[in-house]
Amino acid sequence: DAGITQSPRHKVTETGTPVTLRCHQTENHRYMYWYRQDPGHGLRLIHYSYGVKDTDKGEVSDGYSVSRSKTEDFLLTLESATSSQTSVYFCAISGTVTGANVLTFGAGSRLTVL
Amino acid sequence: AQSVTQLDSQVPVFEEAPVELRCNYSSSVSVYLFWYVQYPNQGLQLLLKYLSGSTLVKGINGFEAEFNKSQTSFHLRKPSVHISDTAEYFCAVGDYGGSQGNLIFGKGTKLSVKP
Repeated sequence: DAGITQSPRHKVTETGTPVTLRCHQTENHRYMYWYRQDPGHGLRLIHYSYGVKDTDKGEVSDGYSVSRSKTEDFLLTLESATSSQTSVYFCAISGTVTGANVLTFGAGSRLTVL
Repeated sequence: AQSVTQLDSQVPVFEEAPVELRCNYSSSVSVYLFWYVQYPNQGLQLLLKYLSGSTLVKGINGFEAEFNKSQTSFHLRKPSVHISDTAEYFCAVGDYGGSQGNLIFGKGTKLSVKP
């Protein structure tokens, strides 16, 4: 997946526990994103980053936080997981071309919150 | 605000038949558009993109799409599908001059190719 690694790929956890998903890229791209994918909703943006320590909220950011201390790593944290956060999470990076935001996606992390 | 509508949630077709997956968008500014494909249990893969210029764009695996500004559409077509084209397809729109978080995805169309 073009130099993007997500970990863990699968996780089962209980309601109320903290969870951190990691996205690692080897492309040296400036922009990184976290999306969640749910049946009937397509992909929805959670948070994105436009540089080290620079992040912004997306459409569905409530209950999630992110951090980016290095260009290559973008972490998504659920401080206290809820069943509504059961989803498949995709990390993406952007190789911006002529102003267009062209995304390359990781393989996904499937999270189940019991 | 931008939005994307994929008019069909599921499209069943027989192998070697033509297929069209429909995508309409709304935006008040200059846009760029993508189609992504997701095979079962995999991430999304870029199928094709329209950034500017020629309105007919060709992608991988024999797919093509036509940007129609007057009808605000970006329909995906393939003249003859294969079993291996069974996947979910997502249309996405972004606008030039917007933030880097401005790419909006449709809800997806599941293409099922039957023998």
